[in-house]
Amino acid sequence: GAVVSQHPSWVICKSGTSVKIECRSLDFQATTMFWYRQFPKQSLMLMATSNEGSKATYEQGVEKDKFLINHASLTLSTLTVTSAHPEDSSFYICSARGGVGGRNTIYFGEGSWLTVV
Amino acid sequence: KNQVEQSPQSLIILEGKNCTLQCNYTVSPFSNLRWYKQDTGRGPVSLTIMTFSENTKSNGRYTATLDADTKQSSLHITASQLSDSASYICVVSANTDKLIFGTGTRLQVFP
Repeated sequence: GAVVSQHPSWVICKSGTSVKIECRSLDFQATTMFWYRQFPKQSLMLMATSNEGSKATYEQGVEKDKFLINHASLTLSTLTVTSAHPEDSSFYICSARGGVGGRNTIYFGEGSWLTVV
Repeated sequence: KNQVEQSPQSLIILEGKNCTLQCNYTVSPFSNLRWYKQDTGRGPVSLTIMTFSENTKSNGRYTATLDADTKQSSLHITASQLSDSASYICVVSANTDKLIFGTGTRLQVFP
């Protein structure tokens, strides 16, 4: 069964609105979570690294005011795409580090499809 | 520059055949190397993880090798099945939180 759960699996929103994606670690505490986006036929691109209780570290070129990341607990991180535009349409994936395998084990969520119309 | 390159970019094989996917990396300092399987529209699923001292690791029909001297890894799939059709991603970790992703190999298995 999945150890990292993302919700929603897919979402369609109007241009200019905001949408929130949740990433939960199931049955383990994840001090670090990662957010990626993936365009068709391309590899995952790291957007930000999220540590519980502190501000996320964003990769170069990722707008932190547009992609708000909150890691308020050891089992939940959220990504909010603010004022979404059609070019934000993508597949967003989170991952969490920890669990039985320890620090070297990273589990990915199932991903969330965002379509902005 | 830390990079991970995979080959071939895509591969088509018949069901029951074996295949080998390649991964070359220039990541330093090296921490570990992982192979993931990603079905279309799904999140990646871990197949193997190897540290510097490990040369081979198996997971069912998947066998990964690592040559830390030449900075190469391979993923061998034995007796392929239709369900093996997916993208296979090589991911190398430096001694930091950062994972460096390869662009993946898209495998298609036909009956």
